[in-house]
Amino acid sequence: ETGVTQTPRHLVMGMTNKKSLKCEQHLGHNAMYWYKQSAKKPLELMFVYNFKEQTENNSVPSRFSPECPNSSHLFLHLHTLQPEDSALYLCASSYRVDTQYFGPGTRLTVL
Amino acid sequence: AQTVTQSQPEMSVQEAETVTLSCTYDTSESDYYLFWYKQPPSRQMILVIRQEAYKQQNATENRFSVNFQKAAKSFSLKISDSQLGDAAMYFCAYIQKYGNKLVFGAGTILRVKS
Repeated sequence: ETGVTQTPRHLVMGMTNKKSLKCEQHLGHNAMYWYKQSAKKPLELMFVYNFKEQTENNSVPSRFSPECPNSSHLFLHLHTLQPEDSALYLCASSYRVDTQYFGPGTRLTVL
Repeated sequence: AQTVTQSQPEMSVQEAETVTLSCTYDTSESDYYLFWYKQPPSRQMILVIRQEAYKQQNATENRFSVNFQKAAKSFSLKISDSQLGDAAMYFCAYIQKYGNKLVFGAGTILRVKS
């Protein structure tokens, strides 16, 4: 596979569930990002990782927990989410802080 | 703080014709990058074109070109010979050089009529 992949593409979860979103990049990049895209709102940057180190946490609630085990993989662990967390979650990667390439997103619905 | 403004929530164009999408931004930095991304109904955010602020020459990619006016802080996207596959939401975005925060505009929905 090439580019940036995300799994699952769709996820429905209850407020008490724990789930994880996965992102993998095959571009040799060293920076990875999580964004949240809600209806009628601009994209919101959530987290940034450079060389596996978190360099940005954009005031994200602790019910979202990122993990970056290496430069190619990024996870977003979810627990006790709220219905307002329903959104499209996009992963992106870049070489250093240049052009970002996005994955197809995970559509999350919290019941 | 940097901001990006797209003043056209929605635009329409006839197939084979040309359309221009507007974008303005606000920054006190002199070195930065600007982008246009396309997001079709499939949701994948696809890079359309990239412009480096220190380059005077406007970027072009096949049917897509930009009009970059640094003093006016304007960065419009021109799509020539529009095709049905161009229908999507288009986002203008800014990132400061050596920064890690890509700032997006609210987007413009482009509809292409056959």
